Amino acid sequence: AQKVTQAQTEISVVEKEDVTLDCVYETRDTTYYLFWYKQPPSGELVFLIRRNSFDEQNEISGRYSWNFQKSTSSFNFTITASQVVDSAVYFCALTPFSGNTPLVFGKGTRLSVIA
Amino acid sequence: DSGVTQTPKHLITATGQRVTLRCSPRSGDLSVYWYQQSLDQGLQFLIHYYNGEERAKGNILERFSAQQFPDLHSELNLSSLELGDSALYFCASSVAPSGGYYNEQFFGPGTRLTVL
Repeated sequence: AQKVTQAQTEISVVEKEDVTLDCVYETRDTTYYLFWYKQPPSGELVFLIRRNSFDEQNEISGRYSWNFQKSTSSFNFTITASQVVDSAVYFCALTPFSGNTPLVFGKGTRLSVIA
Repeated sequence: DSGVTQTPKHLITATGQRVTLRCSPRSGDLSVYWYQQSLDQGLQFLIHYYNGEERAKGNILERFSAQQFPDLHSELNLSSLELGDSALYFCASSVAPSGGYYNEQFFGPGTRLTVL
C-alpha cells in the first residue's frame, strides 16, 4: 500500500520568510514518481514538479526548491522569500512507476503568507 | 488551461437526489481518472477508465458510478446524495499506457458539489 503524509496541516509565515513543507511517503515499489501540486483559493490543481525515484538530485526553480531523500522517504518543498501569492494548499503525491496509475495524495498543507 | 473540461462548475442539490458530472479529456487522451476532494477525506482517487473500460477502482461508494463513452468523455453519476458527498470532484486525463513510463495526468478545473 502507498501512503503520503503531510504532517503540517497549516503553516503561517510573514512575507519574505522561507518556508519548508514536509512530505513523507511509504511505498513497497522500488520505482515510483513523486509530485507536488498547488491549489490556490480558486480551486484548480496546479502541477509544480514530478520526480522519479531514480533521481535524487535536488531541484531549484526560481524561489521553489525540492529536496528528495530516498533514505528518509521524504520529498520536501521549500519556498524562498515567500510572497502573498504563494498562499495556497500544497499537496504531495505518489504513484508507481508504471503507465497509467492513480495518484495517492497527502492531506495537504495550507500555507498562508501574511503581508 | 490543462485542456480538460468539466461541467458544471458548480452544482447545488438536495439530499437524496442524483447528479451527473461530466468530463471531457484532452484531445487524444484515452485515460480518465476521477478524484474527490472533501474536507474530511482529502483528495482521493475514485475510479479510472481507459478507452471505455474500467481499469481501477479506489474509494468509490456503491452509490457512485462512472462510465466512459466512445467519444472518450466520461460521466460520474452520484445518487442518493448525502450531506457528506459535498466535495470538489476532479477529473484528470492522460495518454495511453507506454510500457512503464509515467504519463502525466492533466487535471480539469473541478466541479464543486454542494448537497443541502
